[in-house]
Amino acid sequence: DTGVSQDPRHKITKRGQNVTFRCDPISEHNRLYWYRQTLGQGPEFLTYFQNEAQLEKSRLLSDRFSAERPKGSFSTLEIQRTEQGDSAMYLCASSLGGTLSVNQPQHFGDGTRLSIL
Amino acid sequence: AQTVTQSQPEMSVQEAETVTLSCTYDTSESDYYLFWYKQPPSRQMILVIRQEAYKQQNATENRFSVNFQKAAKSFSLKISDSQLGDAAMYFCAYRPTLPYSGGGADGLTFGKGTHLIIQP
Repeated sequence: DTGVSQDPRHKITKRGQNVTFRCDPISEHNRLYWYRQTLGQGPEFLTYFQNEAQLEKSRLLSDRFSAERPKGSFSTLEIQRTEQGDSAMYLCASSLGGTLSVNQPQHFGDGTRLSIL
Repeated sequence: AQTVTQSQPEMSVQEAETVTLSCTYDTSESDYYLFWYKQPPSRQMILVIRQEAYKQQNATENRFSVNFQKAAKSFSLKISDSQLGDAAMYFCAYRPTLPYSGGGADGLTFGKGTHLIIQP
């Protein structure tokens, strides 16, 4: 079990540029989540997938944000036309779940720290 | 909307002593899950303990235990015999129970966290 893997660990970019992050969940986990964490705050839920289907999106996920999980394995989170306020830690988590299964806890990756210059 | 409140931005405890971290939440749901996560300086969030709302018995995991008061919507974490490795940010989190038909709100709602300092 290699855990949840996120890439890159750090990303520095200029305002207005596009960035893309990748998350590889624990291999048998069918659910994948994205969160954003700003300094001094708890993580805030952005979106989640069950397999390849994006089942829920937070109001925090503006139209500049898009997430995909095309084959139900890894996921990407893209931010277009980055703004200063996008600077944060972006956390990915995965879990095992289904319609009749007990909710399993979410396992988190190390996160990608985004800094907007 | 659900909210989670951690009223203690920072707590300090002597090594080997016991400390209690507070958490309150607000929800109109009757069935849900509550969690405590630990985030050490390396930043990876680690699950400490979880509680199902339908269970009256408080969850325990070794030195970690909770005091779950459903009517008061309170969910505190007690750490016994504190160790230097317990130093971290601790986050309380809430998640509604999914309906068996699938779908629904599955994201965790976190509090702002409590910074726990362990004094040697």
